[in-house]
Amino acid sequence: DTAVSQTPKYLVTQMGNDKSIKCEQNLGHDTMYWYKQDSKKFLKIMFSYNNKELIINETVPNRFSPKSPDKAHLNLHINSLELGDSAVYFCASSHSSGGTLSGANVLTFGAGSRLTVL
Amino acid sequence: AQSVSQHNHHVILSEAASLELGCNYSYGGTVNLFWYVQYPGQHLQLLLKYFSGDPLVKGIKGFEAEFIKSKFSFNLRKPSVQWSDTAEYFCAVIPKLSSNTGKLIFGQGTTLQVKP
Repeated sequence: DTAVSQTPKYLVTQMGNDKSIKCEQNLGHDTMYWYKQDSKKFLKIMFSYNNKELIINETVPNRFSPKSPDKAHLNLHINSLELGDSAVYFCASSHSSGGTLSGANVLTFGAGSRLTVL
Repeated sequence: AQSVSQHNHHVILSEAASLELGCNYSYGGTVNLFWYVQYPGQHLQLLLKYFSGDPLVKGIKGFEAEFIKSKFSFNLRKPSVQWSDTAEYFCAVIPKLSSNTGKLIFGQGTTLQVKP
């Protein structure tokens, strides 16, 4: 059983297209995230959602729109794709409650979705 | 700005060699620290974490890491690597003040290649 699953794993598309990446977790977590891994392999947070509510939006262009239909799903929709959007996008989830010693900031990641914009 | 540096970008070892991957962070306050590993084609998985207490933490698959506060370091070690340890290794930190945000700060990653 995959805990955090993302689809598709690979996506190749043309500039200007609109595409979505889906993420689902079966861990019962109430917080989900999107991270972007750039060409230098740094992972940086883009968004986080807690119980379907947007918590973090790290100055990501508004062409990126996350949607959380329920707390087990967080999809990423990207409009008008640009060359610079090519990256690996990682979904993750965690519990949100508890103190600093809790599992609140132990993230479980998916395998990543590699997006290539031509 | 907070940052994490992993000095070794690509490490090649023979089986049974000892491993040490460096990780340094820049942040003046208290932090929680993590090492994640990504095996080829698989998801990022947690190797070990440090929140408080004994600065020497043990993780899965024989890995351990030592938090040295004075050096702002959290180096990963394994006494004897195996071919199956070939993977990408990522160090990450999060300030305790914002630990409930999930906003991890990652290093650039180290590619470990173990030759059989």
